[in-house]
Amino acid sequence: EPEVTQTPSHQVTQMGQEVILRCVPISNHLYFYWYRQILGQKVEFLVSFYNNEISEKSEIFDDQFSVERPDGSNFTLKIRSTKLEDSAMYFCASSEGAGANVLTFGAGSRLTVL
Amino acid sequence: AQKITQTQPGMFVQEKEAVTLDCTYDTSDQSYGLFWYKQPSSGEMIFLIYQGSYDEQNATEGRYSLNFQKARKSANLVISASQLGDSAMYFCAMREGGGSGNTGKLIFGQGTTLQVKP
Repeated sequence: EPEVTQTPSHQVTQMGQEVILRCVPISNHLYFYWYRQILGQKVEFLVSFYNNEISEKSEIFDDQFSVERPDGSNFTLKIRSTKLEDSAMYFCASSEGAGANVLTFGAGSRLTVL
Repeated sequence: AQKITQTQPGMFVQEKEAVTLDCTYDTSDQSYGLFWYKQPSSGEMIFLIYQGSYDEQNATEGRYSLNFQKARKSANLVISASQLGDSAMYFCAMREGGGSGNTGKLIFGQGTTLQVKP
């Protein structure tokens, strides 16, 4: 069964450092997303990406965050200068369409900021 | 205002019994979709079941069924014949809108932790 793959599974970084989280969505999917989940809390929407541009972003997705689809297969989330409160599980997801289509999630990348 | 509300932080159920996890939602859109995901302790998000706002019949997928009550804006998940492996966090989520501006994002509820007792 096709899956969304994310790397790294866990990253520890110092506050102020840049972090890039990588995702390979399912190959025929057109919509891509990043979500985050602070430990024990609900899953929060960060950004959606379609047709090589951001289609929607949340208040959380400020200037410190950016996304890219550099080569037609990878989909990356960059945090420019990490803060302690960025510590969370980050999930990448993709879907074929935006209607009834299911979002398939990756296994997540746990980010710990010290 | 919360768009998706799950009022049960934690639930217990005896193995082989059925359990209902509550979800209410708030939207002014006529076209929307409701999803349930399971998150085991390993952390991944597993899709369980989908209900469209125009679907006349309640969705079913194996032991999972969705009790969709549109007038009450509720979309409760029913798990029949609970198994030990059903112990997990369960999230209800909604996707609004069916038009061209739809970005496809899901809005999640707070989640319900289900523990199945042997």
